[in-house]
Amino acid sequence: DQQVKQNSPSLSVQEGRISILNCDYTNSMFDYFLWYKKYPAEGPTFLISISSIKDKNEDGRFTVFLNKSAKHLSLHIVPSQPGDSAVYFCAASNNDMRFGAGTRLTVKP
Amino acid sequence: GAVVSQHPSWVICKSGTSVKIECRSLDFQATTMFWYRQFPKQSLMLMATSNEGSKATYEQGVEKDKFLINHASLTLSTLTVTSAHPEDSSFYICSATSRGDGEGTQYFGPGTRLLVL
Repeated sequence: DQQVKQNSPSLSVQEGRISILNCDYTNSMFDYFLWYKKYPAEGPTFLISISSIKDKNEDGRFTVFLNKSAKHLSLHIVPSQPGDSAVYFCAASNNDMRFGAGTRLTVKP
Repeated sequence: GAVVSQHPSWVICKSGTSVKIECRSLDFQATTMFWYRQFPKQSLMLMATSNEGSKATYEQGVEKDKFLINHASLTLSTLTVTSAHPEDSSFYICSATSRGDGEGTQYFGPGTRLLVL
């Protein structure tokens, strides 16, 4: 069974607006969460992470929120830029790492 | 649905031996499978792309004779690290795509940790 799910396969946002990508997980033993960004024909590139002891981590335009009680994390990108258009994967780790299936973000000029 | 498994989940081997890692799509047919290697700082490096019944396409800098990829069926791909050396120690992850899914959707396996002594 998939332990990490990204229920939206795609998302389209206008440039300058906020992009919110969501991720749900089922295993409460996960203690570290990551977001990756992937361009075509490349491997996923690490973007931002958060430990389970925190509920928010911010890095420039990117902020990750963690809601442990809901087993939910989200990535906020604000303001969104056309160069942010890519596929975003969330991942959760304990001893191993589990990935979601990805959300394709399109930021329109 | 859309589960990908990897076996083994971890392996320790002596330098000079070969290690085979299996990647299986459990409940769907994978049109394409990808192999990645995770480096420090946690980014994933794409090693190769394989389609069932055809030769794998390797990324620049990845040695074909060292990292042998066989995509035997629509549900199985194997990565063999031949004559492994300590510098090959890493975390190897496979992923698979299925026909009919949205562009960009990939289903990842749980990864295999390789330690070469």
